[in-house]
Amino acid sequence: GNSVTQMEGPVTLSEEAFLTINCTYTATGYPSLFWYVQYPGEGLQLLLKATKADDKGSNKGFEATYRKETTSFHLEKGSVQVSDSAVYFCALSPYNTDKLIFGTGTRLQVFP
Amino acid sequence: ETGVTQSPTHLIKTRGQQVTLRCSSQSGHNTVSWYQQALGQGPQFIFQYYREEENGRGNFPPRFSGLQFPNYSSELNVNALELDDSALYLCASSLKGQGEAFFGQGTRLTVV
Repeated sequence: GNSVTQMEGPVTLSEEAFLTINCTYTATGYPSLFWYVQYPGEGLQLLLKATKADDKGSNKGFEATYRKETTSFHLEKGSVQVSDSAVYFCALSPYNTDKLIFGTGTRLQVFP
Repeated sequence: ETGVTQSPTHLIKTRGQQVTLRCSSQSGHNTVSWYQQALGQGPQFIFQYYREEENGRGNFPPRFSGLQFPNYSSELNVNALELDDSALYLCASSLKGQGEAFFGQGTRLTVV
């Protein structure tokens, strides 16, 4: 079946630190991969996506590369800000569907 | 361009009652999906509608039902509410085949 596994949080960092949030997936076929972010009291916002192997998604300084050989889509940012504090969800969309399968989320807390 | 809007934002119901949640899709989108997000968890896919027909369903019982209207707005109905139905319900709209979903702010349902 299809599933997503994320590292457990919370991840606590100081401002300007390097961020990695690990995400691995299990899927049949060739899914699309996504990172969504959820700020307190808000819905989900798409952060970045990748639709095929070796694609790199990027947005607002965040990056993730679709690695088929390791079935991973790790989220990275070189220098986090306090405003990046939120819950981050890795998700996949099975090939030829529009539904999303989410991981359990990783809470990021950035302190000044 | 209007985003995805959901109503109401908060709702309290008694066990055994029925509830209807509403969603207005983003302009130009023809597909709507509903997700249930329990506290501290990732969203779980309930079902999806395309051209007013159900187009995929997750592992939810039949007392969860939906409708999509010609203007692509949508309703989620839950009958015989249970305490475990307490969650944030998220609506997401997309253009079929594009694989990128836009989420509303959600409806927080509390069953007492």
